[in-house]
Amino acid sequence: GNSVTQMEGPVTLSEEAFLTINCTYTATGYPSLFWYVQYPGEGLQLLLKATKADDKGSNKGFEATYRKETTSFHLEKGSVQVSDSAVYFCALRGAGNNRKLIWGLGTSLAVNP
Amino acid sequence: EPEVTQTPSHQVTQMGQEVILRCVPISNHLYFYWYRQILGQKVEFLVSFYNNEISEKSEIFDDQFSVERPDGSNFTLKIRSTKLEDSAMYFCASSEEVRQVEAFFGQGTRLTVV
Repeated sequence: GNSVTQMEGPVTLSEEAFLTINCTYTATGYPSLFWYVQYPGEGLQLLLKATKADDKGSNKGFEATYRKETTSFHLEKGSVQVSDSAVYFCALRGAGNNRKLIWGLGTSLAVNP
Repeated sequence: EPEVTQTPSHQVTQMGQEVILRCVPISNHLYFYWYRQILGQKVEFLVSFYNNEISEKSEIFDDQFSVERPDGSNFTLKIRSTKLEDSAMYFCASSEEVRQVEAFFGQGTRLTVV
């Protein structure tokens, strides 16, 4: 079945450092891929998405590229801020009429000033 | 900006009691979902709902669970007889048909069964 494997945390960075959170997936066909973010005390917010191979999703300085050949969707940001401290979830939605999301475990990011 | 709202934010209940978690999806959305996240574990799909019926459910969604859209705006999750292992954060989500691939989530209800 479909699955998502996400880099374990916690990740602790200094402000303005480069961020990478790895995400790989197993799926049949061509799933849609997502990064969701959960800020402290809040719900799950869509950060970015990609729906086909080689698509790059981007938002708030974060980027992730849908790599079919490596079945990956790594999240990157060139310069993190304290306000980026949150838990980041990689997720996929299978192809076709299967609309449920399959989730990674989540990676906690703490950015220190 | 339209959002999914969930009430209550935190519910404490005794084992064996019934609980109803409430959600108001975004008004023009047609697909509705419940997910849960047990502390320290992955977010898990429970059920999806479309056109007034369940379209998909997971193994977790057994006879103790039910969903309802009673009045065209609310979407509820009922747990008939709660168990300790039902303690989790429950997330409601909704999405449009056709145009959207992503789902929009509420802030969650933390259910604690004691």
